[in-house]
Amino acid sequence: DIVMTQSPSSLSASVGDRVTITCRASQSINNYLNWYQLSPGKAPKLLIYAASNLHSGVPSRFSGSGSGTDFTLTIGSLQPEDFATYYCQQSYSTLITFGQGTRLDIK
Amino acid sequence: QVQLQESGPGLVQPSQTLSLTCTVSGGSINSGDYYWNWVRQPPGKGLEWIGFLYDSGNSYYNPSLNGRVTISVDTSKTQFSLNLSSVTAADTAVYYCARLDRLRWGENYYSAMDVWGQGTTVTVSS
Repeated sequence: DIVMTQSPSSLSASVGDRVTITCRASQSINNYLNWYQLSPGKAPKLLIYAASNLHSGVPSRFSGSGSGTDFTLTIGSLQPEDFATYYCQQSYSTLITFGQGTRLDIK
Repeated sequence: QVQLQESGPGLVQPSQTLSLTCTVSGGSINSGDYYWNWVRQPPGKGLEWIGFLYDSGNSYYNPSLNGRVTISVDTSKTQFSLNLSSVTAADTAVYYCARLDRLRWGENYYSAMDVWGQGTTVTVSS
């Protein structure tokens, strides 16, 4: 299995802050990396696919980068609705695996 | 716009079979373009992919579930279902259904789960 490791596991920030979440794969996955946002009571939301491509309808303050084993998700200026949990997921292998999640809280 | 909605019992007895249904509205479940997935999140833990169904009959499951999983489709009802047998407390989780699409970027296609249901909580307890 490809193990995905996210850091940090939790993060406190304020509205307007810029935050970065990292995701590391246990082997090279090229750019087959997606990012999702989970908010309580809502359907999970695809933010980024292919490591750096913004999914349709996702605000431009979200961005992704990386290739190989190391990836980042950056939120340029936090909005109240961005306080949620974020997961990376690799689609390189048919056996889909997720990172353990990063919870983003209001400071 | 395609929407997914999970349904099923919220409480399952240990050793029994957990059965959930995902209803697809606003789109076709017959299209070979999509893979239909189940994903779960145990309390306090991260997401775990369970498996998917594709081409209206083929499937692939997470080996960690030790052959307890079956995902099937009812195209007449635009639904797909999850059966998880011999459940224990470790199977307590929020269960999500999701559509996996192949999204194009440049000359390549990348798989991602672009539509999700809101999730349904299943507790395994006597």
